[in-house]
Amino acid sequence: DAKTTQPTSMDCAEGRAANLPCNHSTISGNEYVYWYRQIHSQGPQYIIHGLKNNETNEMASLIITEDRKSSTLILPHATLRDTAVYYCIVSRRSGNTPLVFGKGTRLSVIA
Amino acid sequence: GAGVSQSPSNKVTEKGKDVELRCDPISGHTALYWYRQRLGQGLEFLIYFQGNSAPDKSGLPSDRFSAERTGESVSTLTIQRTQQEDSAVYLCASSPAVGSYTFGSGTRLTVV
Repeated sequence: DAKTTQPTSMDCAEGRAANLPCNHSTISGNEYVYWYRQIHSQGPQYIIHGLKNNETNEMASLIITEDRKSSTLILPHATLRDTAVYYCIVSRRSGNTPLVFGKGTRLSVIA
Repeated sequence: GAGVSQSPSNKVTEKGKDVELRCDPISGHTALYWYRQRLGQGLEFLIYFQGNSAPDKSGLPSDRFSAERTGESVSTLTIQRTQQEDSAVYLCASSPAVGSYTFGSGTRLTVV
C-alpha cells in the first residue's frame, strides 16, 4: 500500500505556481520522498526527490517539513504541458524495494 | 540506449493466446521493473530484477504471468492464455542500483 496521501485533483492557472501537497506521516528515517508525474498516454517521469532538506532542480522545488511528515512539490510557473497526474512516493533510496505508486494528484493547468 | 524502449507499442490479441512484451533498458542500469496500468487506474507493480539477484515476483497476479531478464539487458514479460482483464498498458522502467527510474512508453495490450 502507498504510504502517502494526496488530493485527488487540483487546478492551477497557467503561469502561476502550482503547489502540490503530500502527507507521509509514517515516513521512516531512511526513506526519501520522490515525485514523479505521468502525462496522458506516457510513462511516468521522474521530477525530484529529497530526504530532509529542500531541493530544487530545473523542473521543480521540493519543500519537506522539518518533521518530514509532509512535503510540497512546487512548479513555479505552470504551463499547459504540466497537466498530468503527480505521484508522491516514499521509499528507501537503495535496496530491493520497488516504488509503490498511489493514485496521485491530477493537476489541470488552465489557460 | 538513450531511453527505455518497449515493443510492441500496441498489441491486440485474442483471448487465450500467449503474448510476449519486450523491454530494452538503459545501458548500465542494473535494475529493471515491470508495472501494469489498467485504464484509469494507478500503476501496479509486477516484477523487479536487480543485477544477478533473484527477481522479486511478488506482484505477479497469477502463474500465467512470467518474466525473464538476460543479465543486465533485455527483459521479456510473457502472459500465457490471455484474458480480457489482462488488457492494460504494461510499463517497463530501469534504474541504476541507486537512483531514479526511467520509464518506457509502454505496451498497450488489448485482449479481444
